[in-house]
Amino acid sequence: DAGVTQSPTHLIKTRGQQVTLRCSPKSGHDTVSWYQQALGQGPQFIFQYYEEEERQRGNFPDRFSGHQFPNYSSELNVNALLLGDSALYLCASSWDGSYEQYFGPGTRLTVT
Amino acid sequence: AQSVTQLGSHVSVSEGALVLLRCNYSSSVPPYLFWYVQYPNQGLQLLLKYTSAATLVKGINGFEAEFKKSETSFHLTKPSAHMSDAAEYFCAVMTNRDDKIIFGKGTRLHILP
Repeated sequence: DAGVTQSPTHLIKTRGQQVTLRCSPKSGHDTVSWYQQALGQGPQFIFQYYEEEERQRGNFPDRFSGHQFPNYSSELNVNALLLGDSALYLCASSWDGSYEQYFGPGTRLTVT
Repeated sequence: AQSVTQLGSHVSVSEGALVLLRCNYSSSVPPYLFWYVQYPNQGLQLLLKYTSAATLVKGINGFEAEFKKSETSFHLTKPSAHMSDAAEYFCAVMTNRDDKIIFGKGTRLHILP
């Protein structure tokens, strides 16, 4: 059984550009959450998707947006990239009603 | 608002010695509590979780944690450290199912030979 997968593994972008990160949840999971982990910090919650809708949102600007597809996979989009957006972006999946989230390996985004 | 405080950004112990990583939480409702481990260039792996059942929780790799409501603590311990335990450890809190997880800043565990 494949766990949570994310692509790409690494990404380098220039300030002002836009980026899309992808996540496939663990089999049987219907909820996807995204977290940003800056260097030397703990992960911070960006938003959560369930039934193709954003269910919760953390304290992130509207430049961060997402989408969930009918197969429960998800995308995270970041517009107008800033240097401060450089971080490890983690996707976590769970099933609705659960307290246990399973994390993927992350996408390392570097903004230059 | 919920929060997590991990005492000590770096902890060093000798191989074979006791591991103790400290975590205090703040929550207005009975929380779910977690410890995650992160190895270099990897995602997060769940070590153990507290979900209002037994206050002493056993996890993987010989780790355990005790929920102490009176102290609002959830410290992580392991009787005997191995070199393979060197990693970053995160304490985390969740207040409701389907809720976001709030993480501490992490503690890097160094194992000395």
